[in-house]
Amino acid sequence: DAEITQSPRHKITETGRQVTLACHQTWNHNNMFWYRQDLGHGLRLIHYSYGVQDTNKGEVSDGYSVSRSNTEDLPLTLESAASSQTSVYFCASSADRERYEQYFGPGTRLTVT
Amino acid sequence: EDQVTQSPEALRLQEGESSSLNCSYTVSGLRGLFWYRQDPGKGPEFLFTLYSAGEEKEKERLKATLTKKESFLHITAPKPEDSATYLCAVQADTGRRALTFGSGTRLQVQP
Repeated sequence: DAEITQSPRHKITETGRQVTLACHQTWNHNNMFWYRQDLGHGLRLIHYSYGVQDTNKGEVSDGYSVSRSNTEDLPLTLESAASSQTSVYFCASSADRERYEQYFGPGTRLTVT
Repeated sequence: EDQVTQSPEALRLQEGESSSLNCSYTVSGLRGLFWYRQDPGKGPEFLFTLYSAGEEKEKERLKATLTKKESFLHITAPKPEDSATYLCAVQADTGRRALTFGSGTRLQVQP
């Protein structure tokens, strides 16, 4: 069955370190998204991609970057982790046409100490 | 700017006690309104997409409806396993494929 996976599921890191969260989907979807979820804020969009070599900034992109070298993967990098980036991160993907719903991964809980 | 507001923030029901969750939205042009269910420690699970006012979708004890300004998720005779956070999201008809989410309604159904 097609799916979307994230790794690691839990990560603890120190302030100032670079961290990369992985996202892999097997639906062959062109569109991929990264959100963060915090109490009181719901899901907020960090970055998104419409296809290979395409990346776009979302509402809370400062301190984050993504790259898209193939259809299946959209890794999220925190260049220099800050305590404010402690959150749960979700990756999602969607198809191009007709059906626009997004399918989410299980999430990565990141703690920056 | 697209906005989604969900109410109530939390709802506690007895098993079998029907109720509705509200999702009010502001968007320049609506491409789709989405309902998701999220269990603790898991990613959101897709439930419904509604595309135009007057549309309704059903799945087991859940029915979603849509007007030009809001959507309702009706829960008929809920069971404890319906306990979860329900998220509403909109996609604007601007070519942007990302979703704007509300903060969710946390539903607890007691036996």
